[in-house]
Amino acid sequence: AQSVTQLDSQVPVFEEAPVELRCNYSSSVSVYLFWYVQYPNQGLQLLLKYLSGSTLVESINGFEAEFNKSQTSFHLRKPSVHISDTAEYFCAVSEVDTDKLIFGTGTRLQVFP
Amino acid sequence: EPEVTQTPSHQVTQMGQEVILRCVPISNHLYFYWYRQILGQKVEFLVSFYNNEISEKSEIFDDQFSVERPDGSNFTLKIRSTKLEDSAMYFCASSESDSNQPQHFGDGTRLSIL
Repeated sequence: AQSVTQLDSQVPVFEEAPVELRCNYSSSVSVYLFWYVQYPNQGLQLLLKYLSGSTLVESINGFEAEFNKSQTSFHLRKPSVHISDTAEYFCAVSEVDTDKLIFGTGTRLQVFP
Repeated sequence: EPEVTQTPSHQVTQMGQEVILRCVPISNHLYFYWYRQILGQKVEFLVSFYNNEISEKSEIFDDQFSVERPDGSNFTLKIRSTKLEDSAMYFCASSESDSNQPQHFGDGTRLSIL
């Protein structure tokens, strides 16, 4: 059965520092990979996705994630974070023959001035 | 940008009562989903719905749960006889097609069972 592991429940960083939020998954078949962000009292917003093609995907607000099939990882990175990036970040996978998303437990990114 | 809307934002219900959570998916989307997030836990898949029938459901989605698309715009989740453990945030999502298209989520309904 597929599963998603986000090892870091909380990541505190200072503004303008780089950050990496880790995500590993397990699945016996091909998967699609997603990062969602949840700001306080809001729903889940899609940050970026990997479906096929280039293993490096980018979002419009400076985040990027790289699909590494051999390590079954999809880590999220940003070279310089902003206070407004403070939120909960969820990694999710779906297998190609199903449409349900399996989520990780989430990582709370706290950016300090 | 079109969005998924959910009502109410917060629902308080006595244990044993029926509750209906409502969602208006994005208008051109064909696939609809419900997820829930118990406080402090991960987001869990409940059910997916396509072409007026359930396409997939989880173990959580037992006989107490049902979904319906009563008209061309609404998508509802009904819990027949609520239990304390049903207290959670319930998210509706929709997508244009199946797994290779991203799911767009609403802001959720916080369900509190007393």
